[in-house]
Amino acid sequence: GENVEQHPSTLSVQEGDSAVIKCTYSDSASNYFPWYKQELGKGPQLIIDIRSNVGEKKDQRIAVTLNKTAKHFSLHITETQPEDSAVYFCAASNSNYQLIWGAGTKLIIKP
Amino acid sequence: EAGVVQSPRYKIIEKKQPVAFWCNPISGHNTLYWYLQNLGQGPELLIRYENEEAVDDSQLPKDRFSAERLKGVDSTLKIQPAELGDSAVYLCASSLSTSTGELFFGEGSRLTVL
Repeated sequence: GENVEQHPSTLSVQEGDSAVIKCTYSDSASNYFPWYKQELGKGPQLIIDIRSNVGEKKDQRIAVTLNKTAKHFSLHITETQPEDSAVYFCAASNSNYQLIWGAGTKLIIKP
Repeated sequence: EAGVVQSPRYKIIEKKQPVAFWCNPISGHNTLYWYLQNLGQGPELLIRYENEEAVDDSQLPKDRFSAERLKGVDSTLKIQPAELGDSAVYLCASSLSTSTGELFFGEGSRLTVL
C-alpha cells in the first residue's frame, strides 16, 4: 500500500546549526507534500508545503525540496533556535486527497 | 479567529465503558477529520466528512466506533465499548475543503483506558 518513510526518527543539533529531515513516498501520483510541526500537548501545525509542480520552496529559515523522480522530499531548517524543538511530520497527498503521514522526527536543539 | 476546539482534553475510563469526544471546527470549514495518534507515531485518519457526509470512513472500526456531524458543523466521535488498545490521542482537524491543503488541528483529546 501507499506509505511515507521519514528519517531520522530523532535529530539532535547544536543551536544555530542546520537540520535536515528526509521523506520518501511510494505513490507516484502524490501531488501535495506538507510538513507539520507538533509541540508537546498540541495538535500538528502546518509550517510549509509544496506541490508537485515546484522543486523548492522557502519561507525565512525553512525550506522544502522535492525530487519527483526519486520520490524524495526534505525539510531544511537553518539557524536553528530552541523554539524549533518539536516533532516534525511529513505527509504526501494521494489522488483521493488522502494524506499519508510519516512517523515523525523528534528535533532536539541543544543550547 | 477561533481555532478548532475539542473536548474533553483528557478522559480516563475503565475498559468496556463508553466515551465520546466533541469537536467544533473553524467556522466555514466544510471538511472535518478525526485522527487517532498513538505515542511516537503520526496521525492516522479515522473518518473524513464533507459537510455532513462521511466520505472516507474506511479506517474507522465500525464495530465499536461511531461518528456524526450534525448540520455539517460540530462533530462527535464515540467509542463503545472502549478497549485497552484505544488509549491514544484523538485529534480533530478541519479545512476549507478537501483540495485546499492546510489542515487546522485541535489540541486533541487524550484517552486512557484502564
